[in-house]
Amino acid sequence: QKEVEQNSGPLSVPEGAIASLNCTYSDRVSQSFFWYRQYSGKSPELIMSIYSNGDKEDGRFTAQLNKASQYVSLLIRDSQPSDSATYLCAPLGRDDKIIFGKGTRLHILP
Amino acid sequence: EPEVTQTPSHQVTQMGQEVILRCVPISNHLYFYWYRQILGQKVEFLVSFYNNEISEKSEIFDDQFSVERPDGSNFTLKIRSTKLEDSAMYFCASSGTSGRQETQYFGPGTRLLVL
Repeated sequence: QKEVEQNSGPLSVPEGAIASLNCTYSDRVSQSFFWYRQYSGKSPELIMSIYSNGDKEDGRFTAQLNKASQYVSLLIRDSQPSDSATYLCAPLGRDDKIIFGKGTRLHILP
Repeated sequence: EPEVTQTPSHQVTQMGQEVILRCVPISNHLYFYWYRQILGQKVEFLVSFYNNEISEKSEIFDDQFSVERPDGSNFTLKIRSTKLEDSAMYFCASSGTSGRQETQYFGPGTRLLVL
């Protein structure tokens, strides 16, 4: 059974600080990794995609991937109240099926 | 910016009734998906569709479910005889202009309530 593990939170971070979200996955053949943001009652919205080991930066967001450790993370710098949401770790298997984690609830404290 | 659209946004139905959820994927995408999310739970894969046939389906996608691309733009999910446990948010997604392993973009969802 392919699994994705995330700390469910809530993770509370002061406004302006760095939020760090972590994820481990069990499917070794996963090659593509996505982070989606989901506001309550809304659909997943793509934040970052990462395909190679290392870091990828896009604005305030940095994704980190370590395939050997089956670990992917997301850093959010200068956290804003609008970043308060559930963040979904989403490895994509060879069959193009996304196995979502349960998500980490992030709460940015004003 | 192109986006996936879904109709209706909300659907209430009686147990045992048939429902059809509709999606218009991003126009040049080739791969289409349905996911669902029961309230408070994680997003779950239902089915993927490419070249007018199902590519993959999950254990959830049993004989009560079917998908169709009736024309060049719509992608539908039919539930033949709804059960209470089918109540969920259903998301359509699309991807792939040139191959697999591309980002999946999600529609806004249809909230289905089975009474």
